[in-house]
Amino acid sequence: GEDVEQSLFLSVREGDSSVINCTYTDSSSTYLYWYKQEPGAGLQLLTYIFSNMDMKQDQRLTVLLNKKDKHLSLRIADTQTGDSAIYFCAERARELVFGAGTILRVKS
Amino acid sequence: NAGVTQTPKFQVLKTGQSMTLQCAQDMNHEYMSWYRQDPGMGLRLIHYSVGAGITDQGEVPNGYNVSRSTTEDFPLRLLSAAPSQTSVYFCASTPTGGFGGYTFGSGTRLTVV
Repeated sequence: GEDVEQSLFLSVREGDSSVINCTYTDSSSTYLYWYKQEPGAGLQLLTYIFSNMDMKQDQRLTVLLNKKDKHLSLRIADTQTGDSAIYFCAERARELVFGAGTILRVKS
Repeated sequence: NAGVTQTPKFQVLKTGQSMTLQCAQDMNHEYMSWYRQDPGMGLRLIHYSVGAGITDQGEVPNGYNVSRSTTEDFPLRLLSAAPSQTSVYFCASTPTGGFGGYTFGSGTRLTVV
């Protein structure tokens, strides 16, 4: 079945880069997503990548996809305190399947 | 503002009570779904619908019912609430086809005592 795994916690200093990693199992995934959830809020779509791409850049966000290893990463450049949140990786094959989320803590 | 609207935002139920969580979207999205979020477990799919009159089960459907009589609305019913259903519930929608970026509601926090 489909499974998505993420590391649970990442702590970085303000101004540094953050890299959040994700692995997935379903090779038929068409799109892969990164969502951000701030405390008490819903999920906000940050960015997505189509499965035939290997990189996508969107301002401070860079998504890398290694389809052979089924590995997805999200790099946030110049991380700010406002980036502190939970980040969810998700894959879409038949349905949208989420990882458990990575808590990003940004220290000033 | 266009989007997905969930009501209520908070609810406390006693074990055995029933209730309906409401979800409405005004974007004419064909696909709607319900997820529950529990600490350390991400979001798990409860039920989904690919269009009016069509529903199907997700990963954790037991204890929940859904119906889809209109494109806009997708209510989630708890027939007999149990403490294990204490969770945050999110409704989401997306157009069929395209890149499938789901739009999420702001969630309903449900506590069953």
